[in-house]
Amino acid sequence: NAGVTQTPKFRVLKTGQSMTLLCAQDMNHEYMYWYRQDPGMGLRLIHYSVGEGTTAKGEVPDGYNVSRLKKQNFLLGLESAAPSQTSVYFCASSYPRVGARGEQYFGPGTRLTVT
Amino acid sequence: TQLLEQSPQFLSIQEGENLTVYCNSSSVFSSLQWYRQEPGEGPVLLVTVVTGGEVKKLKRLTFQFGDARKDSSLHITAAQTGDTGLYLCAGATRGSTLGRLYFGRGTQLTVWP
Repeated sequence: NAGVTQTPKFRVLKTGQSMTLLCAQDMNHEYMYWYRQDPGMGLRLIHYSVGEGTTAKGEVPDGYNVSRLKKQNFLLGLESAAPSQTSVYFCASSYPRVGARGEQYFGPGTRLTVT
Repeated sequence: TQLLEQSPQFLSIQEGENLTVYCNSSSVFSSLQWYRQEPGEGPVLLVTVVTGGEVKKLKRLTFQFGDARKDSSLHITAAQTGDTGLYLCAGATRGSTLGRLYFGRGTQLTVWP
């Protein structure tokens, strides 16, 4: 199993450009998440999905959109990139369990710079 | 507002020393996880604790969940250079059915030879 994969690994955008980050998982997990990680801020949840065709906002959703058309894929879109979106983006997935243990499995990250 | 507060934020020690990292909250969690993240990689799960007072050991790492399930600690005995990394605690709140985790800001540990 590859686990959770993310493409691309690195990207540089100019302000106002758009892009899509792709996350794929082969563990048949129901739940998927997008986080951003900035120095000293930990991981902040952008959007998440509890199943194919469903998405919900996390704590920092502004400027991002997501889609979950297939169970194994979760896409994060930036419609008009801003320098404040320079960050490292992580995708994660988890399998729902009784008692919500919540263990998540992370991809290797995408480092995005917006100039 | 950060639901989970981690301390210290940075820790720099010599190989062979012991250390403890703390994760505190005013909220009750149904479970708490500890992750380790190395540069250029995603976080990797180390352990999950679910019962108040629970203690789990992973070689030289000891994890404890507070009796009230509001806090946790990670103790490393005789640290090695390979322990260097960012340690993150993350909690799932009681009643959550969405698998959502709340992360602390992390403790950056550097172990010098």
